[in-house]
Amino acid sequence: NAGVTQTPKFRILKIGQSMTLQCAQDMNHNYMYWYRQDPGMGLKLIYYSVGAGITDKGEVPNGYNVSRSTTEDFPLRLELAAPSQTSVYFCASSHERWQGGTDTQYFGPGTRLTVL
Amino acid sequence: QQQVKQSPQSLIVQKGGISIINCAYENTAFDYFPWYQQFPGKGPALLIAIRPDVSEKKEGRFTISFNKSAKQFSLHIMDSQPGDSATYFCAVRSGSARQLTFGSGTQLTVLP
Repeated sequence: NAGVTQTPKFRILKIGQSMTLQCAQDMNHNYMYWYRQDPGMGLKLIYYSVGAGITDKGEVPNGYNVSRSTTEDFPLRLELAAPSQTSVYFCASSHERWQGGTDTQYFGPGTRLTVL
Repeated sequence: QQQVKQSPQSLIVQKGGISIINCAYENTAFDYFPWYQQFPGKGPALLIAIRPDVSEKKEGRFTISFNKSAKQFSLHIMDSQPGDSATYFCAVRSGSARQLTFGSGTQLTVLP
């Protein structure tokens, strides 16, 4: 299993541009999450999904959109990029049921985005 | 509103020493308390976790101590090793989708 994969690894955007961050998992997880990580601020939840066709806002959803058309994929869309969206973005997934008594979110390697 | 406060922000420990990281939370509705470990350039990975009906959990050199009445929990790393040098995040879980709220992180450096 590849686990959680994210593309691209790095990206530089100009203010006002748009882009889609890709996330895919091959573990048949129903639950998927998008976080952003700013220096010294921990990870903040942007959006999450409990299954195909079902998404909901997290703590910091403004400026982002998501879709979930399949179990495997959970892309994050940035519209009209702003410097405040400069961050490292992580996608994560977890199984619907606890595995061995442990609730684990599996994280991808991240996408480092800079908006200039 | 910061629901999880983590301290210290950074920690330097000698090899073989004990590393202690603390977290305090505000909402009693949280039902799961994991710690994640993150190496540079990588995504976080679950290290150890505890449920609120248990006061302590130990896995190898890593121990979580949980104080429900004080709404605090801590990570203890015994016999700290240079390979433990990483950023550690505490988290609390809530919601039907088991959403996590993370602390701000502690950068641990273990000197050889």
